[in-house]
Amino acid sequence: NAGVTQTPKFQVLKTGQSMTLQCAQDMNHNSMYWYRQDPGMGLRLIYYSASEGTTDKGEVPNGYNVSRLNKREFSLRLESAAPSQTSVYFCATLLGQGWNTEAFFGQGTRLTVV
Amino acid sequence: KNEVEQSPQNLTAQEGEFITINCSYSVGISALHWLQQHPGGGIVSLFMLSSGKKKHGRLIATINIQEKHSSLHITASHPRDSAVYICAVKFRGNEKLTFGTGTRLTIIP
Repeated sequence: NAGVTQTPKFQVLKTGQSMTLQCAQDMNHNSMYWYRQDPGMGLRLIYYSASEGTTDKGEVPNGYNVSRLNKREFSLRLESAAPSQTSVYFCATLLGQGWNTEAFFGQGTRLTVV
Repeated sequence: KNEVEQSPQNLTAQEGEFITINCSYSVGISALHWLQQHPGGGIVSLFMLSSGKKKHGRLIATINIQEKHSSLHITASHPRDSAVYICAVKFRGNEKLTFGTGTRLTIIP
């Protein structure tokens, strides 16, 4: 049972290059999330998907696109990477509602844009 | 405004010391999580709290709903406890998690 799997773990991009971060979960959860983590700040929500076929913007969506390919997979795309997108990216799923909510995170993708 | 504040931001202690990390939030919540992040590693969920206290080995988490406050305690701290501890909440009416900035804990042998 792998839980939440993110690829790649590390990536270096040149400004203007594009890439897709992949996330897959094997827990059959409906909701999936992409966060970025920057020094001195809490994790900030980029995009989320409440269920297969739906996606919504979070706090910091500019410069990103997402695709909920199926229930298992939720990908994050940077069309034209900028140095400001240097960050650690986490994919997560939440199971349950209210006080019975469990959170599961991927291992993170450390992205550097030069 | 929905906010989560953690304190302290950084904490260094000697092995064996009792550790307390605090989390305060601004309005009513429907869930509170304590998470652990090791250097270069992913994030794992330690506790999900709704009331009172939970214990897991040397880790204890408490929550006071009326005071909008939660604490994470570590007894007999060990260098392997060195990590960033993150408080995350779901505010009522919002299905998304809001995260504190984390507390970086370093335990010196």
